[in-house]
Amino acid sequence: GESVGLHLPTLSVQEGDNSIINCAYSNSASDYFIWYKQESGKGPQFIIDIRSNMDKRQGQRVTVLLNKTVKHLSLQIAATQPGDSAVYFCADSGSSGAGSYQLTFGKGTKLSVIP
Amino acid sequence: DSGVTQTPKHLITATGQRVTLRCSPRSGDLSVYWYQQSLDQGLQFLIQYYNGEERAKGNILERFSAQQFPDLHSELNLSSLELGDSALYFCASSVRPGGYEQYFGPGTRLTVT
Repeated sequence: GESVGLHLPTLSVQEGDNSIINCAYSNSASDYFIWYKQESGKGPQFIIDIRSNMDKRQGQRVTVLLNKTVKHLSLQIAATQPGDSAVYFCADSGSSGAGSYQLTFGKGTKLSVIP
Repeated sequence: DSGVTQTPKHLITATGQRVTLRCSPRSGDLSVYWYQQSLDQGLQFLIQYYNGEERAKGNILERFSAQQFPDLHSELNLSSLELGDSALYFCASSVRPGGYEQYFGPGTRLTVT
C-alpha cells in the first residue's frame, strides 16, 4: 500500500550546524507533505507543510524541499539548537477528494544535537 | 501545551479487558483524530470525528470504537485487549474538518499484561 518512509533512522548534529532530514514518499496524489516534531514524552507537533505544487517553502529556521521527480522530501534546520533534539516525522495528507485529509506518517528520524 | 488534553496518562490492564481513553480537543476545534503509536507500526491513523460524526476511518480494529460527544470531547474504546495493543494512543484536533495541521495531546500509554 501507500507508505511514507525515511532514509535514516538517526542523525547526530553539532550545535550550530545545519541539519537535513530526508524522507521518501510513495503517494504522488497527496496534496500536501508535512513535517512533525515529537519531543520525548510529548505528542507530535506540526512544524511546516508544503503544497504538492511547490518545490520549496521556508519557515523560521526551517526549510522544506520537495522533489516530485524522485518523490523525495527534506527538512532543513538552520543553526541547530539543543531544543531541536526530537524525532521528526514526515507525513503526507492524501488527497482531499472526500473533503478530509488523512495523514500517513513515516517511521521517524531521531535528531540528536551535540552541545 | 497544545491545548488538547488526554486522560489517563498511563493505563495498565490485562488481556481480554476493556478500557476507555478520553480526549478533549482544543477550544473551538470540531475535528478529533485518534492515532496509535507503536515501535513496530509507527504512528497510525485510527479514526476521525467531526462535530459528532465519524468522518474517516484508518487502520482501526473492529475491537476498537470511538465516539464524539455533543461537548466535542471524544472517547476511544478498546475491548478484548491483546498484548499487541500496548502502545501510545494520541488524540489530535484541528480547526478544519480533515485538516492536516493537527494539534496532538500528550497521549495515553496503554500497557496490556
